Amino acid sequence: QVQLVQSGAEVKKPGASVKVSCKASGYTFTTYDFSWVRQAPGQGLEWMGWISAYSGNAKYAQKFQGRLTMTTDTSTSTVYMDLGSLRSDDTAVYYCARAPSVAGAPDYWGQGTLVTVSS
Amino acid sequence: DIQMTQSPSSLSASVGARVTITCRASQTITTYLNWYQQKPGKAPKLLIYAASSLQSGVPPRFSGSGSGTDFTLTISSLQPEDFATYYCQQSYNFPPAFGQGTKLEIK
Repeated sequence: QVQLVQSGAEVKKPGASVKVSCKASGYTFTTYDFSWVRQAPGQGLEWMGWISAYSGNAKYAQKFQGRLTMTTDTSTSTVYMDLGSLRSDDTAVYYCARAPSVAGAPDYWGQGTLVTVSS
Repeated sequence: DIQMTQSPSSLSASVGARVTITCRASQTITTYLNWYQQKPGKAPKLLIYAASSLQSGVPPRFSGSGSGTDFTLTISSLQPEDFATYYCQQSYNFPPAFGQGTKLEIK
């Protein structure tokens, strides 16, 4: 069965970076893409970006340009989300989600990773 | 960027009731509209994609309709496990924005 397992919770100081991993299993990794979505405490869902597991091509939402990097490791079927220059308003649960394409609806989601940014 | 607006933001309903949630796009998105259900502390779950296609494993009491700019999610007979927050999302173009969510509570 398809599973996306994310890395554990992180606590970071303002200005630091965080790297969250998402390990996929139960299907051929390179046949689907990934989106990253975050959710601040008590707030709605915010789409951050997309990456093709096949090509490694990525697209990011404008507000994250310059401090967001998504990568994949096909040897371990893992996708990574690296967010830099962290601020307190980056405190959120970060989700990876599998999608058939950049325009496709994410059908399987990771369990979420809480990133807390605090001095 | 396309803006997605859901209404209502919250609603209360009883078990067995029929409920409709609306999602409006700021410009046409044809049928590139998805619906998700999220329960507290859990990841979102895809219910409906391409406006009206039911995701595998989702009960048929959930249905979606619409095209262009106006869309609806209907739950035909509410069950206790349906009380959650629902989000629409456009996947017509970049960035694929979500609506603000509709919280469905027990009356």
